[in-house]
Amino acid sequence: SQQGEEDPQALSIQEGENATMNCSYKTSINNLQWYRQNSGRGLVHLILIRSNEREKHSGRLRVTLDTSKKSSSLLITASRAADTASYFCATVPMDSSYKLIFGSGTRLLVRP
Amino acid sequence: KAGVTQTPRYLIKTRGQQVTLSCSPISGHRSVSWYQQTPGQGLQFLFEYFSETQRNKGNFPGRFSGRQFSNSRSEMNVSTLELGDSALYLCASSRGDSGNTYEQYFGPGTRLTVT
Repeated sequence: SQQGEEDPQALSIQEGENATMNCSYKTSINNLQWYRQNSGRGLVHLILIRSNEREKHSGRLRVTLDTSKKSSSLLITASRAADTASYFCATVPMDSSYKLIFGSGTRLLVRP
Repeated sequence: KAGVTQTPRYLIKTRGQQVTLSCSPISGHRSVSWYQQTPGQGLQFLFEYFSETQRNKGNFPGRFSGRQFSNSRSEMNVSTLELGDSALYLCASSRGDSGNTYEQYFGPGTRLTVT
């Protein structure tokens, strides 16, 4: 079963607006990663945040991590139609390396 | 660098048959992981191999098996197929030598349909 839950399940915004997705997980982690998937294809790695980090930026992406609440958020600023995709958080459990446990995903639609 | 390749891309099988899926990692990557993606269960970890050794395994029945060759290419096999095995099977590779799991590079997946 999945460790993480994401909300919202679906998000529809206008181009230029910001999109925020949230992820919660259950166990202690080594790191947390965000991936994007277009239309049932392979996943693309977006950003990784380690358990001892609180915030990380990469281009238009900003990720936060709160290990006390076991939650993370992904912010996409100034969204574009090309950002339309499903976004997944994935955790690497502290007690079980070499695997990713994925959240349920957020479907993002950016309207032109 | 060429990306992760998976073959075949699409497959239709009948219940009770078996199937073998193949994955070629990015050159220089020694870790290969497999995931199953279904609408109901989402993305689930199957197993991970590094230098021909399975280092971790998910909660799947023994019908699901895998192996890795000396050139890091990997195969997964599903025997006695069930309708519920219909899914997108994703392979991911990474260097794998850092003692943990970091950025994974995913292939396009194999879409398996069991009828």
